[in-house]
Amino acid sequence: GQNIDQPTEMTATEGAIVQINCTYQTSGFNGLFWYQQHAGEAPTFLSYNVLDGLEEKGRFSSFLSRSKGYSYLLLKELQMKDSASYLCAVKDSNYQLIWGAGTKLIIKP
Amino acid sequence: DADVTQTPRNRITKTGKRIMLECSQTKGHDRMYWYRQDPGLGLRLIYYSFDVKDINKGEISDGYSVSRQAQAKFSLSLESAIPNQTALYFCATSALGRDEVYEQYFGPGTRLTVT
Repeated sequence: GQNIDQPTEMTATEGAIVQINCTYQTSGFNGLFWYQQHAGEAPTFLSYNVLDGLEEKGRFSSFLSRSKGYSYLLLKELQMKDSASYLCAVKDSNYQLIWGAGTKLIIKP
Repeated sequence: DADVTQTPRNRITKTGKRIMLECSQTKGHDRMYWYRQDPGLGLRLIYYSFDVKDINKGEISDGYSVSRQAQAKFSLSLESAIPNQTALYFCATSALGRDEVYEQYFGPGTRLTVT
């Protein structure tokens, strides 16, 4: 079966750095997405990785290791507005997105 | 105006009723999707459409049907609603193509409660 695992919840302090991990087992791999979802709102696109390595976009970076079936999202200089759920999704061999349950990130002052 | 809109935003209905959720988009995308989201679970794909003449079942299509009335419109119907269909429903769109990023753009969601 297809499976994507993320921690359910994480807590971090404003101004700090947090790393959210995602491991996946899917039928094929055609890219990995990270989305941000504030409570009660729609998911919004953050980043995309298809090759191994680090993609940096401002305060957010995403890393991929295809051989390990592993990705992480790194958030730097945390702000209160970063309190949200972060969803990991993998595009499988049929080019469909398989979604993780999401990691709820709580930022404390 | 929002690129992907959903109506209604909230709906409470009774068991056995037929209900339709509507989605419209102004992004000009060919691909449209319907998902449901339940607490503690990932987004689950109900149906997807690659163009007006192409409709495909997703992971959890039982109890649902869809209609792609035009490139910009994709409706989801619950023929006879049951309580375990209580969830947050999202419509999404993406551009056509396999080899580029083509991220999905989501509507604001419809919160459906079946009593």
